[in-house]
Amino acid sequence: RKEVEQDPGPFNVPEGATVAFNCTYSNSASQSFFWYRQDCRKEPKLLMSVYSSGNEDGRFTAQLNRASQYISLLIRDSKLSDSATYLCVVNMPSGYALNFGKGTSLLVTP
Amino acid sequence: NAGVTQTPKFQVLKTGQSMTLQCAQDMNHEYMSWYRQDPGMGLRLIHYSVGAGITDQGEVPNGYNVSRSTTEDFPLRLLSAAPSQTSVYFCASMASGREQYFGPGTRLTVT
Repeated sequence: RKEVEQDPGPFNVPEGATVAFNCTYSNSASQSFFWYRQDCRKEPKLLMSVYSSGNEDGRFTAQLNRASQYISLLIRDSKLSDSATYLCVVNMPSGYALNFGKGTSLLVTP
Repeated sequence: NAGVTQTPKFQVLKTGQSMTLQCAQDMNHEYMSWYRQDPGMGLRLIHYSVGAGITDQGEVPNGYNVSRSTTEDFPLRLLSAAPSQTSVYFCASMASGREQYFGPGTRLTVT
């Protein structure tokens, strides 16, 4: 079983829509959680860290449920520029590197 | 700060050739990693290093060697390239417990 699992999508949504991505992880010892964004043929870039209490950054809200080993990302009022692949990321047990989900593809249409 | 830099950006090799992908970071990060990304496979860890002189294998290490003689540099060597190593390679660095920063990637084709 893969360490980090995501629905690959694609999610096609109209501008202004709200969309949610989910992710599960298998290692209960994981301590650090992130959402990264990757544009086509570019390197992944940090979108936001995910904290136990949940956190918000503008239109983006991340939630962590340790009991269910589940992470979510909510995007409100989607923009065309939000079109990208969103990667769920969990630190490896060693803490020295990260486990990446395969990513969820989002396409926001006019 | 340049962040994480990688060279070359593109490379074409013939089967059996060797080459080194270069990676450098100027953020004084302890941890550095190499990933490969293939369609439908996501990012897979090849090798990683927790500091100068220390390296370890990731999920897909076969066919690749690494060394870490300085904090800044973490080169990835392909000893005898194979078509299965056609991929996009990303180098990354991180401080302990923090997020990773990625280089722009090297697109490698092995014919």
